[in-house]
Amino acid sequence: DTGVSQDPRHKITKRGQNVTFRCDPISEHNRLYWYRQTLGQGPEFLTYFQNEAQLEKSRLLSDRFSAERPKGSFSTLEIQRTEQGDSAMYLCASSLLASGGYEQYFGPGTRLTVT
Amino acid sequence: DAKTTQPNSMESNEEEPVHLPCNHSTISGTDYIHWYRQLPSQGPEYVIHGLTSNVNNRMASLAIAEDRKSSTLILHRATLRDAAVYYCILAFTNDYKLSFGAGTTVTVRA
Repeated sequence: DTGVSQDPRHKITKRGQNVTFRCDPISEHNRLYWYRQTLGQGPEFLTYFQNEAQLEKSRLLSDRFSAERPKGSFSTLEIQRTEQGDSAMYLCASSLLASGGYEQYFGPGTRLTVT
Repeated sequence: DAKTTQPNSMESNEEEPVHLPCNHSTISGTDYIHWYRQLPSQGPEYVIHGLTSNVNNRMASLAIAEDRKSSTLILHRATLRDAAVYYCILAFTNDYKLSFGAGTTVTVRA
């Protein structure tokens, strides 16, 4: 039974560069969520998908952020022109609506450091 | 978004029960009460959730006040593996997007 996987686990980039993260949810899960967590804080909601449709984006998701979920399977989160304030852990979670949708399974996260 | 209030930290001895309180006085009728926990260097993990009635599962019990303005997560016998940050979250039934607060850091003494 494979859980939610995220790639890469760590990413160090220079300010101004673009980065892309990938999330592979549990295979039959139709909902996929992205969260961001900074040190000492709880995760913050960024966006979520139901199948391939992006249903909501937080105001935290500036124009430099874009997320996709082509074909309703894996998802990517891209950050353009990274800033030091983007340094955080980016978490992905998935859930299955048919089981109620309430239990989200989280991946291990991608830790981004912008230098 | 409806907010929750939790103590910053709690300590417990191994094999003793832990009662984690959460206040959510602005809860709406469509909000479920969720608990997640996050062990060090891991993503959050679902613990339990409920609407009005008390709930039990293999990990914990959730006691919900009659007016739903507060709830308590109960770990019946704490183990060292239960040391984590515990988050009490209100989530609307349609989207279940989770708004995490700062949580309660639980320390378990051997």
